[in-house]
Amino acid sequence: EVRLLESGGGLVQPGGSLRLSCAASGFTFSSYAMSWVRQAPGKGLEWVSAIGGSGDTTLYADSVKGRFTISRDNSKNTVYLQMNSLRVEDTAIYYCARNFAIDYWGQGNLVTVSS
Amino acid sequence: QSVLTQPPSASGTPGQKITISCSGSSSNIGGNTVNWYQQVPGTAPRLLIYTNDQRPSGVPDRFSGSKSGTSASLAISDLQSEDEADYYCATWDDSLNGRLFGGGTKLTVL
Repeated sequence: EVRLLESGGGLVQPGGSLRLSCAASGFTFSSYAMSWVRQAPGKGLEWVSAIGGSGDTTLYADSVKGRFTISRDNSKNTVYLQMNSLRVEDTAIYYCARNFAIDYWGQGNLVTVSS
Repeated sequence: QSVLTQPPSASGTPGQKITISCSGSSSNIGGNTVNWYQQVPGTAPRLLIYTNDQRPSGVPDRFSGSKSGTSASLAISDLQSEDEADYYCATWDDSLNGRLFGGGTKLTVL
């Protein structure tokens, strides 16, 4: 069974930093790209970033480019999202997901950016 | 406003068939496959349709997808109360080099 478990969310002030983690199990982690998708309160889904299976390919939405960094540790079956220079508009539930095309989702982790 | 256009709402009565549309362009739907997701409020999305018209195991055959040109559609037949949820289309955009989601359609079962 594919399982994706996010952690690391919470409350942070504007301009601050946070690192999300997503622990994966139930599949051969290094064989799959991983993605991050977010959902602001009461809003729709927004793709944030993705990384190839070996970590050589990284992609970002324009809204987070230069501020967020995606990475992975295949020895730990974990993907990360380092979020710097956070803005109020980054407040959202952040979902970890498998594949560029996204077939499985984690349960989500809330990030709140507020003073 | 999303690059992929979905109607914000749809409704139907139990047993009815409804269709949700997703309109894009040549840089996204026109050249890439489409997935559909169902999200019950308060829960994570789940994959409903992949590669335009394929159903993952466990998804009832009441759900079907199609794609033509720069548009895609999700059809739900024999509508049931548990189908009440938000539905999102998604595809890759070659110009943006990123994944796109439609704005979502809130389905109400009357």
